[in-house]
Amino acid sequence: GQNIDQPTEMTATEGAIVQINCTYQTSGFNGLFWYQQHAGEAPTFLSYNVLDGLEEKGRFSSFLSRSKGYSYLLLKELQMKDSASYLCAVEDSNYQLIWGAGTKLIIKP
Amino acid sequence: SQTIHQWPATLVQPVGSPLSLECTVEGTSNPNLYWYRQAAGRGLQLLFYSVGIGQISSEVPQNLSASRPQDRQFILSSKKLLLSDSGFYLCAWSVGGFDTGELFFGEGSRLTVL
Repeated sequence: GQNIDQPTEMTATEGAIVQINCTYQTSGFNGLFWYQQHAGEAPTFLSYNVLDGLEEKGRFSSFLSRSKGYSYLLLKELQMKDSASYLCAVEDSNYQLIWGAGTKLIIKP
Repeated sequence: SQTIHQWPATLVQPVGSPLSLECTVEGTSNPNLYWYRQAAGRGLQLLFYSVGIGQISSEVPQNLSASRPQDRQFILSSKKLLLSDSGFYLCAWSVGGFDTGELFFGEGSRLTVL
């Protein structure tokens, strides 16, 4: 079966750095996405990785290792507004998205 | 620029009643359209997707149905709601083609079936 694993919940302090991990086992791989979802709202796109390595976009970076079936989302200089759920999704060989359950990130002052 | 709207935002329905959620996209042509459901603490579940007018693919057997009467309109329906249909429903679009790619979501519709 296809599976995406990510921690259920994480807590971090304002101004700090946090890394959210995602491991996947899918039928093929055509890219990995990270989305941010604030409570009660729709997800919004954060990043896309299809090749190994690090993609940096402002305070957010995303890393991919296809051989390990592993990705992480790195958030720097955390702000209170970063409190949200972060969803990892993999596009499989049929070009369908397989979604993780999401990681709820709690930022404390 | 492209926009996506879905409605209603919130609804409370009795078991056995019908359902109609509507989604429209503006500013793009021939998008791929999707209906997802999100249960609390769970990942997004793909219900239906469409690559063109009248072309609907169902991912999960259930009492829901979808229709795409126009290029940029996607409707989710049910004739008789079940308690298990409660959840957060999301419409989304992506650039037309064989892959999913980046998804753009509507505001979401929270359905409570009592």
